[in-house]
Amino acid sequence: GAGVSQSPRYKVAKRGQDVALRCDPISGHVSLFWYQQALGQGPEFLTYFQNEAQLDKSGLPSDRFFAERPEGSVSTLKIQRTQQEDSAVYLCASSRGTGNTEAFFGQGTRLTVV
Amino acid sequence: EDKVVQSPLSLVVHEGDTVTLNCSYEVTNFRSLLWYKQEKKAPTFLFMLTSSGIEKKSGRLSSILDKKELFSILNITATQTGDSAIYLCAVTKSNTGNQFYFGTGTSLTVIP
Repeated sequence: GAGVSQSPRYKVAKRGQDVALRCDPISGHVSLFWYQQALGQGPEFLTYFQNEAQLDKSGLPSDRFFAERPEGSVSTLKIQRTQQEDSAVYLCASSRGTGNTEAFFGQGTRLTVV
Repeated sequence: EDKVVQSPLSLVVHEGDTVTLNCSYEVTNFRSLLWYKQEKKAPTFLFMLTSSGIEKKSGRLSSILDKKELFSILNITATQTGDSAIYLCAVTKSNTGNQFYFGTGTSLTVIP
């Protein structure tokens, strides 16, 4: 596609509910990143994929967070048993290569846990 | 601990003013510094800097990196209301793939 596409744009979840956030990267982009952005803060790194391999998941805040990219294209970030502190904008980014290139961001998914 | 610090946190200027946004960093294995503009939600790429002293320009925006003093500045001349946004600075490291370490951003408001 022309850009990184994320869905849904907005998600309201009851505490304890599971959610799944989808990211469609730019076609052919090898690298894919998930970031979490709390209100008034810069994005915080969650996890990184190179093709289908999850090379870094050091930023995932707990084992309730899980990400996958099974075919090296679309990625899903899943949050189990959501809690209020999970409320944030979740940004997905992709980049063409694995070297020093800029990343292109999606519009994000705003998750609100009530 | 790696740090990326932006200043000021927020700024209000009048149209036509020139602004300078600052980003300082303390990271090991520094590779590059990037500037993004964030309106609404999606950060959009502005500049990537890897070498000291080489100014990058795009229209009214310019940026430069000082790897000795570990900072970068983003200049915007003749500001317009459309420049109102959060400006994010991010650093990449050579040993952690291509992930970005972001600062908290500078919120710029340009009033007519």
